[in-house]
Amino acid sequence: QLQLQESGPGLVKPSETLSLSCTVSGGSINSASYYWAWIRQPPGKGLEWIGNIYYSGNTYYNPSLKSRVTISVDTSRKQFFLKLNSVTAADTAVYYCARQSISARVAGLDYWGQGTLVTVSS
Amino acid sequence: DIQMTQSPSSLSASVGDRVTITCRASQDIRDDLGWYQQKPGKAPERLIYAASSLQSGVPSRFSGSGSGTEFTLTISSLQPEDFAAYYCLQNNRYPLTFGGGTNVEIQ
Repeated sequence: QLQLQESGPGLVKPSETLSLSCTVSGGSINSASYYWAWIRQPPGKGLEWIGNIYYSGNTYYNPSLKSRVTISVDTSRKQFFLKLNSVTAADTAVYYCARQSISARVAGLDYWGQGTLVTVSS
Repeated sequence: DIQMTQSPSSLSASVGDRVTITCRASQDIRDDLGWYQQKPGKAPERLIYAASSLQSGVPSRFSGSGSGTEFTLTISSLQPEDFAAYYCLQNNRYPLTFGGGTNVEIQ
């Protein structure tokens, strides 16, 4: 069974960089059928897709965050990463990593990590 | 960006009720839509993909329909474990975008 697990600091100071990692287990990160995505959810609010990465390093970012976001991958460690710089209180959210299937007829976010709360505060 | 307008934002229902949630896309997304259930403190779980295909392990009381710009999630007979938030997600075009969510509450 595929599992994804987020990890990283739960508290980040304003103007600093939020850094998270996602570890994939029970499956391959090198598959041609999947991208690996980050999604966030501010407390009590809806979901926002941040961006994704292919095992080759190809990325797509949400234009609303593109100037501040970097997603990278380390296939040898079966991990992918999120960096969000110049954070403010508005970036306080639960951050999820997920697998994004790109195969026809089953496309979409099919496996999710449990999520990790990141609070931006001094 | 493709805007996903989900309605209603909340509803109250009783066990056994038939419940319908709608998502409208700002442009044609074919059938590139999924429905997700989220319980408090948990990650979303996919119920439906490709607008009408039931995710493995999901009870058959959940169904999805629609294509193009209008989509519906139906719960045929609401069960106690179905009280949760529901979201649609379009995966036709980047950036992926979610509907605003529907909270299904106990009446």
